[in-house]
Formats: sequence, structure tokens, C-alpha cells
Amino acid sequence: GAGVSQSPRYKVAKRGQDVALRCDPISGHVSLFWYQQALGQGPEFLTYFQNEAQLDKSGLPSDRFFAERPEGSVSTLKIQRTQQEDSAVYLCASSFSSGANVLTFGAGSRLTVL
Amino acid sequence: ILNVEQSPQSLHVQEGDSTNFTCSFPSSNFYALHWYRWETAKSPEALFVMTLNGDEKKKGRISATLNTKEGYSYLYIKGSQPEDSATYLCALLAPSGSRLTFGEGTQLTVNP
Repeated sequence: GAGVSQSPRYKVAKRGQDVALRCDPISGHVSLFWYQQALGQGPEFLTYFQNEAQLDKSGLPSDRFFAERPEGSVSTLKIQRTQQEDSAVYLCASSFSSGANVLTFGAGSRLTVL
Repeated sequence: ILNVEQSPQSLHVQEGDSTNFTCSFPSSNFYALHWYRWETAKSPEALFVMTLNGDEKKKGRISATLNTKEGYSYLYIKGSQPEDSATYLCALLAPSGSRLTFGEGTQLTVNP
């Protein structure tokens, strides 16, 4: 597609529910990043894929967070047993080459946990 | 942990005013600096990627400078327009990593 597509744009979950957020990067983009942006903060790194390989997951805040990119294109960020502190905008970004060259971002998925 | 700081946190200017804001970072841990503009309900959009000390880049009315020795970058907007209203984010790429570390952003509001 022309840009990075994320779905859903908005998600309201009850505490304890599992959620899955999807990212469709630009076709052919090798690198894919997930960031979490809490209100009033800058985006915080969660995880990085190069093709299907998850090269860095050091930013995932707990073992409730899991990300995958099984075929090196679409990626899913899953959050199990959501907590209120998981409320944030989750941004996905991709780039053509490896490493963090210019990133093309999606519009984000805003998660609200009640 | 890299510390990227942006100031001010927010800024209100009148249409036609010129404005600037700052991004500071640890000079010892620099590979590249990115600037992004993030309008409400849209995707963050890349403005500049800067790598060399003394770099100056320009895109329309927006320009940026970089000083890697002292660890700062300035973003300038000449003759601000209401459509410039957005959050401006800077992000540092360190030599050792592949991730960008973002500042908290400067939220600019341009009043007509």
C-alpha cells in the first residue's frame, strides 16, 4: 500500500482482556518498529523486526507483551491481560533498509483500558 | 539510557511569527538525528535526518541545524501558519543501536 496501515485505530478494552493490534507496513520495507506513546510522553521503543526476525525486544515492558511478524510483512502486537497502564497510542513504523533510517509511521492504535 | 530533551514543551504563537525550538542529546552517543512532525489524528511525518556537525537542512519554511559537538539541534519555522500546528519530535540514533530514542516533543499551536 501507499503508507503504513494500523488497525484498529481505537480500541477500548476492559482490564484483563487480551488485545491484538495489527500493522501493515509499506510493501518491501525490511525494518518494522513498534513504539508506545503514553499521554504527554514521547514514543518509547518496544521492539524491532528485520524481515521476520525479531532482533530487539528489549523495550517490551512485560511478558504480557508479544509481537510477531511471521512472514516478514504484517506484524501483530499482542497484549495479554491488559492493565490500565497499558493505555497508550501504539505506533508502528517501517523503513526500506535495516536499522532506523527514515521511518514511515502509521497513524497509531489508541488503546484505552478501563 | 539515552536522554533526549526538547524545549519548550509547548508553544503558542500568532500567525506570521517565526519560532524555534531545541532538541538536546548526549554528544558522545550520536549517529544521526531525526525530526518528525505529528499532526493530531495523523501519522508522524519525517522532516529531516541529520548526520553531520554543522548540517543545515531546509524544507519550505522549516529549517534545522545540528551541533553534534555540543549536543543540540534547532528547528526553525519562518512565518508560522495555522497548518504548522503539530507536535514536533526529535529522535536520536546512537552508533550502537538500530532504534530511535525520542524526546517528548514540542507542541506548537499557531493562532490565526
